[in-house]
Amino acid sequence: TQLLEQSPQFLSIQEGENLTVYCNSSSVFSSLQWYRQEPGEGPVLLVTVVTGGEVKKLKRLTFQFGDARKDSSLHITAAQPGDTGLYLCAGARGQGGKLIFGQGTELSVKP
Amino acid sequence: ETGVTQTPRHLVMGMTNKKSLKCEQHLGHNAMYWYKQSAKKPLELMFVYNFKEQTENNSVPSRFSPECPNSSHLFLHLHTLQPEDSALYLCASSQDRVNQPQHFGDGTRLSIL
Repeated sequence: TQLLEQSPQFLSIQEGENLTVYCNSSSVFSSLQWYRQEPGEGPVLLVTVVTGGEVKKLKRLTFQFGDARKDSSLHITAAQPGDTGLYLCAGARGQGGKLIFGQGTELSVKP
Repeated sequence: ETGVTQTPRHLVMGMTNKKSLKCEQHLGHNAMYWYKQSAKKPLELMFVYNFKEQTENNSVPSRFSPECPNSSHLFLHLHTLQPEDSALYLCASSQDRVNQPQHFGDGTRLSIL
């Protein structure tokens, strides 16, 4: 059973376009993390959201945690080729629970 | 400098070989993890060590054997692997709790012939 569903799984866009990646679950998470993984490297943490409804911005990336803490979105404005990579969301359930990862969204931004 | 170093970066081995993967973290963290990453699948947590004690074994076959001699080093010993074990093996660390943000190494790409 996949607890965290990411969509879309693959996305290929032109430089300058906007995009949104979704991370959905029927479970409530105490916090949610977003990572980016580039080819040949390990995932790197981008942001952690903790409060329902929270919005965090990282340059052209905007992260939102759903009010009910069951879902999250990542919006990229004016995508650049350097944004290419695998985007992973990971939910934490309580202090003792392990991280649950989504299957990832593979983004390709063409110049 | 990622703070988490994995060696080797690539490994090709036969099904009867014995090899070990090594992970070292320089972040002062107390929790370390092994993950398996296969194409089109979510990251699979294999083992968790917290303060050198194994706190989770996620139903991993016994042909994978972890070892954590201290909080900075983690090994994964491999023996009699199967072709379906070919994957990217990622090591990660976090401060002390399993659901904290994790710092990953760049992985070992393992191919089983």
